[in-house]
Amino acid sequence: AQTVTQSQPEMSVQEAETVTLSCTYDTSENNYYLFWYKQPPSRQMILVIRQEAYKQQNATENRFSVNFQKAAKSFSLKISDSQLGDTAMYFCAFMKYNTDKLIFGTGTRLQVFP
Amino acid sequence: SAVISQKPSRDICQRGTSLTIQCQVDSQVTMMFWYRQQPGQSLTLIATANQGSEATYESGFVIDKFPISRPNLTFSTLTVSNMSPEDSSIYLCSVGLGGRETQYFGPGTRLLVL
Repeated sequence: AQTVTQSQPEMSVQEAETVTLSCTYDTSENNYYLFWYKQPPSRQMILVIRQEAYKQQNATENRFSVNFQKAAKSFSLKISDSQLGDTAMYFCAFMKYNTDKLIFGTGTRLQVFP
Repeated sequence: SAVISQKPSRDICQRGTSLTIQCQVDSQVTMMFWYRQQPGQSLTLIATANQGSEATYESGFVIDKFPISRPNLTFSTLTVSNMSPEDSSIYLCSVGLGGRETQYFGPGTRLLVL
């Protein structure tokens, strides 16, 4: 069975600084997808970034980028130039190829301070 | 992405009663999903709802407790039956877009059972 581990329950960063959220996963699959979702206090789940396991190039979306290490089964999220609106819970998620089931980590609560 | 709405946004219910949650999407989608997020926890998939067929339930979730309807390609309902305080959670629907592997979430329904 697949598992997703987020070892940082809480993180904080000052506005305009950079922060990295960690995520590791366990799977015997070779083809899969990885995601980062953001859940602000409004509780809306927002897709931040997506990575296909077959792609070596790390995904980037504006200030958000990932460091995908397939061999190490690591998928960290880097947020550059942090903004107050980045304050939220961040969930790492795994999906096996050709299925629809998202498996979520326990989340990291990020607080951005002015 | 898509515009996904849920009704109600929140409710307080008495134990033993049932609540039906609606999920509406502004475009036709094949796959719709229902998740539960217990207080302070991550998201857990309850079931997958396909139009024209029975919902597929994950381990630990049964149709008698969480009946689901999917009458068309833009709408689904989840009923939480015979509620107990342990059912107090946020219930979220999601849809697969841009390829089945990418899911977008509704705003969630916050349920409190007294």
